[in-house]
Amino acid sequence: QKEVEQNSGPLSVPEGAIASLNCTYSDRGSQSFFWYRQYSGKSPELIMSIYSNGDKEDGRFTAQLNKASQYVSLLIRDSQPSDSATYLCAVNPSNAGGTSYGKLTFGQGTILTVHP
Amino acid sequence: DAGVIQSPRHEVTEMGQEVTLRCKPISGHDYLFWYRQTMMRGLELLIYFNNNVPIDDSGMPEDRFSAKMPNASFSTLKIQPSEPRDSAVYFCASSPGPNTDTQYFGPGTRLTVL
Repeated sequence: QKEVEQNSGPLSVPEGAIASLNCTYSDRGSQSFFWYRQYSGKSPELIMSIYSNGDKEDGRFTAQLNKASQYVSLLIRDSQPSDSATYLCAVNPSNAGGTSYGKLTFGQGTILTVHP
Repeated sequence: DAGVIQSPRHEVTEMGQEVTLRCKPISGHDYLFWYRQTMMRGLELLIYFNNNVPIDDSGMPEDRFSAKMPNASFSTLKIQPSEPRDSAVYFCASSPGPNTDTQYFGPGTRLTVL
């Protein structure tokens, strides 16, 4: 059973702070990694994707990947109340041949609250 | 583009009834995915299609669930007979192509089985 685990929330940070969200995965052959944001009552929305070890920055968001440790994280700088949502980590596992395909496994999500 | 379209947005039915959920993917997208989301189990992949062909249905919970994609612009997820434990939000998502993992989600259908 492929698993994706996220740090248990909820996570509460003050406005302007850095929010750190963490995710570990069990399939060492996983090829691609995603962070989705889901507002209450809405559908998941892709905010970051990362494929190689290291950091990837997009505006206030930074995704970090460490395949050796099977760990992916999302940092949100200068957190805003509008960032309050559930953040889902998703992993594209490998098939038996080690190649990637379109099937995603999602973590349970971390609820983030940014308070003014 | 209108995005992924799902209907109905809300469905309330009684146990034992047949339920059909509908999805129109984004035009030109080759992959279509059906997910179910509950508080207890999170977001789970049920089945996905590539070019209208079912590729992996290992997430379909049991024979009561079936999915079809008769053409590139339409898919259905059917539950027959429905049970209270099927109550969940069902999402459809589509993806552009074989080397693109990005999935675009529809607004979801909230199903309540009484």
